[in-house]
Amino acid sequence: QQQVKQSPQSLIVQKGGISIINCAYENTAFDYFPWYQQFPGKGPALLIAIRPDVSEKKEGRFTISFNKSAKQFSLHIMDSQPGDSATYFCAASMVQGAQKLVFGQGTRLTINP
Amino acid sequence: GAGVSQSPSNKVTEKGKDVELRCDPISGHTALYWYRQSLGQGLEFLIYFQGNSAPDKSGLPSDRFSAERTGGSVSTLTIQRTQQEDSAVYLCASSLAGAIREQFFGPGTRLTVL
Repeated sequence: QQQVKQSPQSLIVQKGGISIINCAYENTAFDYFPWYQQFPGKGPALLIAIRPDVSEKKEGRFTISFNKSAKQFSLHIMDSQPGDSATYFCAASMVQGAQKLVFGQGTRLTINP
Repeated sequence: GAGVSQSPSNKVTEKGKDVELRCDPISGHTALYWYRQSLGQGLEFLIYFQGNSAPDKSGLPSDRFSAERTGGSVSTLTIQRTQQEDSAVYLCASSLAGAIREQFFGPGTRLTVL
């Protein structure tokens, strides 16, 4: 019930294309869904996050789409750039309590120039 | 200001030895988390500290793992009698207390147990 499943494991996209990463969760008590970006040798950094009261959130080229009934959420990166090449993690937590994050397995994104 | 810092950045140890990993959170952050990032396992929660409250140790994988947070700031994660399966990157994160806590991660300590 605590799992967050993420796909694909790796993704190659041409510069200027759209990168899409998908996640699914089981625990309906989760009510906070962040995405983290991690570069080699660095810790994860928060990219964008969503609460379940909205179906979409956009920040610049990054958009989260959220489907509460399907228990799925996805990250879309528009106009993907080589600098976006990194590992992306979706996560989920409950706002009440410790807010400990349950992470997906990660997606290694490569943007080809 | 400075972000979360962790030391050492790399630690190589022999099986059976004890190791201590240190985390310096962002000044003023009352919440502190430890996570472990290992190949094939992703990132998993280990332990959480909030102010003077009792820590949430629910993610610690065995009693060989322990952590403390002194003076509400620096935290140390201790692994006793290390095993090869303990090899991973140990990440520390801190956040302000509040309704939604953005967790800021340090660069991690890469632990290799030979």
